[in-house]
Amino acid sequence: DIVMTQTPLSLSVTPGQPASISCKSSQSLLHRNGKTYLYWYLQKPGQSPQLLISEASNRFSGVPDRFSGSGSGTDFTLKISRVEAEDVGVYYCMQSIQVPPTFGPGTRVDIK
Amino acid sequence: EVRLVESGGGLVKPGESLRLSCAASGFTFTSAWMSWVRQAPGKGLEWVGRIKSESDGGTVDYAAPVKGRFTISRDDSKNTLYLQMSSLTTEDTALYYCGNSYYYWGQGALVTVSS
Repeated sequence: DIVMTQTPLSLSVTPGQPASISCKSSQSLLHRNGKTYLYWYLQKPGQSPQLLISEASNRFSGVPDRFSGSGSGTDFTLKISRVEAEDVGVYYCMQSIQVPPTFGPGTRVDIK
Repeated sequence: EVRLVESGGGLVKPGESLRLSCAASGFTFTSAWMSWVRQAPGKGLEWVGRIKSESDGGTVDYAAPVKGRFTISRDDSKNTLYLQMSSLTTEDTALYYCGNSYYYWGQGALVTVSS
């Protein structure tokens, strides 16, 4: 199975400041079709996961443009340009290039 | 609007069975690959399995911990996804989410396995 790691595992951010989360996979997530099968989710407290970014860098419908995804191969980053109070929760990366899809351990983000 | 509504959760004893349902709306269910993921209390997300659309063969894949015990099926006439769980253990206690591929997730159904 592909192992997904995330750093840091927790993050405390001042509102209005940027934040960045790293995700690394044990194998390349670049498919021969040219797509990169890396997703980012946010699970707000008491809610189900919501998709933020698909295919490493495609912002999902309705996701604010302060969220951006980048990276390739095995190294990926989620950036929040200016953190807002509603961004608190646990962020997960997930790969789906190989079965079983696997998730990172999650990064807990809270507000200072 | 995409809606995924899980039902059928509850408290069962080890060794017993339970079936979860997921009613889907707001998208073309027949062409969607549908998934189940779970989240044990206070833990991260774990993929359970996925069923492809019938047009893509209807193939089902399972995570190793549930293979042989869980069965995923779909009824395209009812826009409903199922998760049949048998030989449940305390390790299966979790909130179970159904998903439209990996884009949308329901609110979850809680399964508690305890004697």
